[in-house]
Amino acid sequence: SYVLTQPPSVSVAPGQTARITCVENSVGNKNVHWYRQKPGQAPVLVVYDDSDRPSGIPERISGSKSGNTATLTISRVEAGDEADYYCQVWESLGDHVVFGGGTKLTVL
Amino acid sequence: QVQLVEFGGGAVQPGRSPRLSCVASGFSIRTYVMHWVRQPPGKGLEWVALISLDGSEEYYAESVKGRFSISRDNSKKMLYLQMNSLRADDTAVYYCARGKGTYCMDVWGKGTKVTVSS
Repeated sequence: SYVLTQPPSVSVAPGQTARITCVENSVGNKNVHWYRQKPGQAPVLVVYDDSDRPSGIPERISGSKSGNTATLTISRVEAGDEADYYCQVWESLGDHVVFGGGTKLTVL
Repeated sequence: QVQLVEFGGGAVQPGRSPRLSCVASGFSIRTYVMHWVRQPPGKGLEWVALISLDGSEEYYAESVKGRFSISRDNSKKMLYLQMNSLRADDTAVYYCARGKGTYCMDVWGKGTKVTVSS
């Protein structure tokens, strides 16, 4: 089955850069999307199609992809960036959506 | 204002068959694929189902296939999730979400909590 693997946690000091990875267990030719979820809130789309940002998402949040690894990069991290982040793809072989397990970003 | 609001959750006994609803405002759902996604307590996001623009195609996660049914009424701006034969591991917050492009979800409701317990 198709799996997206994320690190359970990432910690970074304010002002530094956080990088959250999402590794596909097969060749990565799928569009990867990223969501931010703060406690008690619904998820918010922050990056779609590997590297595009919805309106209202600041430029310091960016996405990239190399091979079978997608990366969400948050520059100049702020306390308000503390949240769970999830990657997601559409698995066309099984016609279903797959989410990664999520990464808890802690701002030290 | 583009918005999705879910309702119909609550405490349910195992084996019962509640229906969740989601109403859209600020946009016409007839031009969007729609999804249900759930999140068990303290756990990550789990996709449940999606339905095509006109309702002719439905796709389900293996964990709910054969028990849950997604449907829509575009004229009423409504999305539904009929849940049958509920089990304890169906306990979760259920979100409806608007689909965009390559199956990402760009608008989410605040969710409705379903607790399955005897």
